[in-house]
Amino acid sequence: ETGVTQSPTHLIKTRGQQVTLRCSSQSGHNTVSWYQQALGQGPQFIFQYYREEENGRGNFPPRFSGLQFPNYSSELNVNALELDDSALYLCASSLSFGELFFGEGSRLTVL
Amino acid sequence: AQRVTQPEKLLSVFKGAPVELKCNYSYSGSPELFWYVQYSRQRLQLLLRHISRESIKGFTADLNKGETSFHLKKPFAQEEDSAMYYCALRAGTQGGSEKLVFGKGTKLTVNP
Repeated sequence: ETGVTQSPTHLIKTRGQQVTLRCSSQSGHNTVSWYQQALGQGPQFIFQYYREEENGRGNFPPRFSGLQFPNYSSELNVNALELDDSALYLCASSLSFGELFFGEGSRLTVL
Repeated sequence: AQRVTQPEKLLSVFKGAPVELKCNYSYSGSPELFWYVQYSRQRLQLLLRHISRESIKGFTADLNKGETSFHLKKPFAQEEDSAMYYCALRAGTQGGSEKLVFGKGTKLTVNP
């Protein structure tokens, strides 16, 4: 059984640029959630995708967007990057609304 | 408001000593609470959930609705328990899905 994998593991961008983070769900899972974890903080919910539709969103501006593909993998896109976007971005997959299985995260640094 | 508070950022105990990691929550509905753990260089993983009422790796947690608490306890700490611990609350979203609301975490260090 393959766990949740995320790419890239680390990346550096400058203010105003755009970034795409990728996530492959655990086998058999149809739901993907994205979380942002700033330094010294707990993970904060960004949004969730279920069967390719966004079905829940946290307090993040529209420049945070996502996609889920037919194979249930997912992307997180962030436009017009700001310094405060520097964080660890976690993807978690689940079967419907069951237990979340997390990836190791993508660490984004915005300069 | 949905909020999870972990008052201790750092907690240090000696091997064999009891340990209690505190968690308080604020939620208007019927709460479902979890403890997640992150060992060094590993991913975040579920330790236990209150509805299952189980003991995992010697840890237990009881939901106290009167005190709105869900403290994690272990009678005899082991060095391998050293990790970052997050308390989390399952809450609904406007879109109909569910999300986890996490506390800021407590870093537990068990000294030999």
